[in-house]
Amino acid sequence: AQSVTQLDSHVSVSEGTPVLLRCNYSSSYSPSLFWYVQHPNKGLQLLLKYTSAATLVKGINGFEAEFKKSETSFHLTKPSAHMSDAAEYFCACNQAGTALIFGKGTTLSVSS
Amino acid sequence: DGGITQSPKYLFRKEGQNVTLSCEQNLNHDAMYWYRQDPGQGLRLIYYSQIVNDFQKGDIAEGYSVSREKKESFPLTVTSAQKNPTAFYLCASSPIGGDRGIYGYTFGSGTRLTVV
Repeated sequence: AQSVTQLDSHVSVSEGTPVLLRCNYSSSYSPSLFWYVQHPNKGLQLLLKYTSAATLVKGINGFEAEFKKSETSFHLTKPSAHMSDAAEYFCACNQAGTALIFGKGTTLSVSS
Repeated sequence: DGGITQSPKYLFRKEGQNVTLSCEQNLNHDAMYWYRQDPGQGLRLIYYSQIVNDFQKGDIAEGYSVSREKKESFPLTVTSAQKNPTAFYLCASSPIGGDRGIYGYTFGSGTRLTVV
């Protein structure tokens, strides 16, 4: 069975410093992987996705993620955090014939 | 503008009542999904439908029911059998192939259900 583990429930950074949100997956087959962002009381917005093309994926708002099969990881990074990046982030995994499976989320706090 | 509309935004349910959450999309997507979100639990799949008049149970389907009579609509009923229904409910859709991970999902803005 596939699963997604987000290694940190809460990450705090200062504005202008790098962001790293960690995600590990478990899947029997080559999965598709996604990162979503959610602002309070809102739906989820797709940041980026990996679907077996380039392993380094660039998304919106300066975020990117790297698929590492050997480490079963898909960590989300951003070189410089902005106050508006404060939100909850979800990693998700999908394989053929099923719906997306989500991790439990990571809350990103950004201080000035 | 295309998108997914969930209504109402806030819903209050009395003990023993059934309530129905609406989800409508005008994206011409074939697949639709319902997720439940609780603090610290992430999103858990309730039901999904890949085609009209067909749907599959997700991980936490007990106490919920759905219908898919139209491509655009996928209402979720929270029945009295759901003992802990207070949560944030999110509806999503994707084009055909969403089950193969080709596309991300488009989400609605959610309905917050509270038992009073």
